[in-house]
Amino acid sequence: IAGITQAPTSQILAAGRRMTLRCTQDMRHNAMYWYRQDLGLGLRLIHYSNTAGTTGKGEVPDGYSVSRANTDDFPLTLASAVPSQTSVYFCASSDGTSGGNEQFFGPGTRLTVL
Amino acid sequence: GQNIDQPTEMTATEGAIVQINCTYQTSGFNGLFWYQQHAGEAPTFLSYNVLDGLEEKGRFSSFLSRSKGYSYLLLKELQMKDSASYLCAVRDSNYQLIWGAGTKLIIKP
Repeated sequence: IAGITQAPTSQILAAGRRMTLRCTQDMRHNAMYWYRQDLGLGLRLIHYSNTAGTTGKGEVPDGYSVSRANTDDFPLTLASAVPSQTSVYFCASSDGTSGGNEQFFGPGTRLTVL
Repeated sequence: GQNIDQPTEMTATEGAIVQINCTYQTSGFNGLFWYQQHAGEAPTFLSYNVLDGLEEKGRFSSFLSRSKGYSYLLLKELQMKDSASYLCAVRDSNYQLIWGAGTKLIIKP
């Protein structure tokens, strides 16, 4: 079934540990995105990639890094986790960045940093 | 700064009609999206407006006025399964989506 998968579904992490959230899509979409969603706030863009081999910073990039080695995968890495990074993380993809190209979302990763 | 405003919560009755408003102030405008998000799930696309006017899609309609920085989502013949959060998002001049905090819609029998 076409779509986006994320792993893990949930994770409890000790502060200071390194963590990579995985995201894979099989729709051959050019653009991919990482968001965090916190209670009472809208989705906030962390990093994005308009095409394989390129990445860009979103609204809240500090403490996070991404890579886009191929079209399908877009991992998000927390180099040294802090409690303020406790959130639900959504990966999304779109065929393009203009017009009516909607973003398709993965099921999310619920991360707790203690 | 960029800002998207939506009511935090609304309550409506099954079978009725509800209108969820969204006002925005963004650096540029390249379209407005509405998404539905059930609790514990991912957002899913509902509608897209880039020109002024009403877009109708079954029980759901979305309206846009670019001069007023305003949109609304209209849900007709409400069903219990429509209980969810509704997210308004504007694509800005950098072609990134700026998201509102969402409106939690509670449907009562």
